[in-house]
Amino acid sequence: DGGITQSPKYLFRKEGQNVTLSCEQNLNHDAMYWYRQDPGQGLRLIYYSQIVNDFQKGDIAEGYSVSREKKESFPLTVTSAQKNPTAFYLCASSMSWGLAVNTDTQYFGPGTRLTVL
Amino acid sequence: AQTVTQSQPEMSVQEAETVTLSCTYDTSESNYYLFWYKQPPSRQMILVIRQEAYKQQNATENRFSVNFQKAAKSFSLKISDSQLGDTAMYFCAFNTNAGKSTFGDGTTLTVKP
Repeated sequence: DGGITQSPKYLFRKEGQNVTLSCEQNLNHDAMYWYRQDPGQGLRLIYYSQIVNDFQKGDIAEGYSVSREKKESFPLTVTSAQKNPTAFYLCASSMSWGLAVNTDTQYFGPGTRLTVL
Repeated sequence: AQTVTQSQPEMSVQEAETVTLSCTYDTSESNYYLFWYKQPPSRQMILVIRQEAYKQQNATENRFSVNFQKAAKSFSLKISDSQLGDTAMYFCAFNTNAGKSTFGDGTTLTVKP
């Protein structure tokens, strides 16, 4: 089955620690995205990547880092510089970027719930 | 900067009835895409319907349809024959040609039996 997987489903972090959230897709999509969702709010874009070895900051990139060494993988690291990291994190991918509505449509993984202890 | 506003934080509807969720947006772009996503209690984001701004015809997907008013920058979602499984949070989203997405804060819809 084609899809997007995120792991782990739940993650706990002690203050001062870096943690990495995994996102893998087997849809052969070029573009991938990371979003943060806080309770009762919409999604805010953290980072996005149009192609392998390239990525751009979204609206709330401070305290986060990413890499895109493989087309199917886009891990997100939440660093100790992120002062309020407790949130639900969603990864998404799309076939392309800026071409047409059907190929630009984003499909989402099941999410990771990160809690700081 | 793009903004998306969903003015109804919560709504409810009786099973089998029709409900409309509102969404307005602001942009200086001439071509863009609009989406409605559904997030049930499982928190999995599911695409409901999508629309290209240059198309005047409103998109429909089975019981879901949109009323797209480009001049008014309005993109409302109509759900007909509401079902219990439609209970979820609904997000309106906006994509530019540059691929950057902006989401509204969501409307929580409860379908009552």
